[in-house]
Amino acid sequence: GQNIDQPTEMTATEGAIVQINCTYQTSGFNGLFWYQQHAGEAPTFLSYNVLDGLEEKGRFSSFLSRSKGYSYLLLKELQMKDSASYLCAVRSGGSYIPTFGRGTSLIVHP
Amino acid sequence: GAVVSQHPSRVICKSGTSVKIECRSLDFQATTMFWYRQFPKKSLMLMATSNEGSKATYEQGVEKDKFLINHASLTLSTLTVTSAHPEDSSFYICSAKNFGEQETQYFGPGTRLLVL
Repeated sequence: GQNIDQPTEMTATEGAIVQINCTYQTSGFNGLFWYQQHAGEAPTFLSYNVLDGLEEKGRFSSFLSRSKGYSYLLLKELQMKDSASYLCAVRSGGSYIPTFGRGTSLIVHP
Repeated sequence: GAVVSQHPSRVICKSGTSVKIECRSLDFQATTMFWYRQFPKKSLMLMATSNEGSKATYEQGVEKDKFLINHASLTLSTLTVTSAHPEDSSFYICSAKNFGEQETQYFGPGTRLLVL
């Protein structure tokens, strides 16, 4: 099985930078996803990492270290609309279906 | 981007009745669709993988006779919660994989089910 761990809740100030961490234990790692989910809505895809390093997409960046079983999602220039749950999902073995973590609820305040 | 719709978005039903939820890929063909269940402040739990034209693959612990899945076409999968009970109340989300894209699944907006 897989064990995916991320903080339950984080708060940050509008305009600031926040880093959401995700650690995982799995065999046959085959990719890590980050999704954003607003309350009562479906998740939307943010990023996909399969190799070590940093992937940057505008205000959002995602980092992966396979040897450490660790990833983070970095959000810059926070906006109020970034308040949401951020889900880390890991794919492993021969399956193309990722397993989701519990999500980190991010609250952005003025 | 690819769009997935779900209908209904919200349903309230009496205990013992059956509820059907539809998941449609609007602008692409989805050979594979997934059904998830999510409790408040909990993770998405995969219930089953639905393949067009074949039987669904259910995750361990999911009753296939209670959660009937039909994937009759490349753009439609349905989940029927049979003889619903209050403990079936949850947020049900479907997602679909575009045949040509290996890394991304597109999620529907979800269906909130409340069983009284």
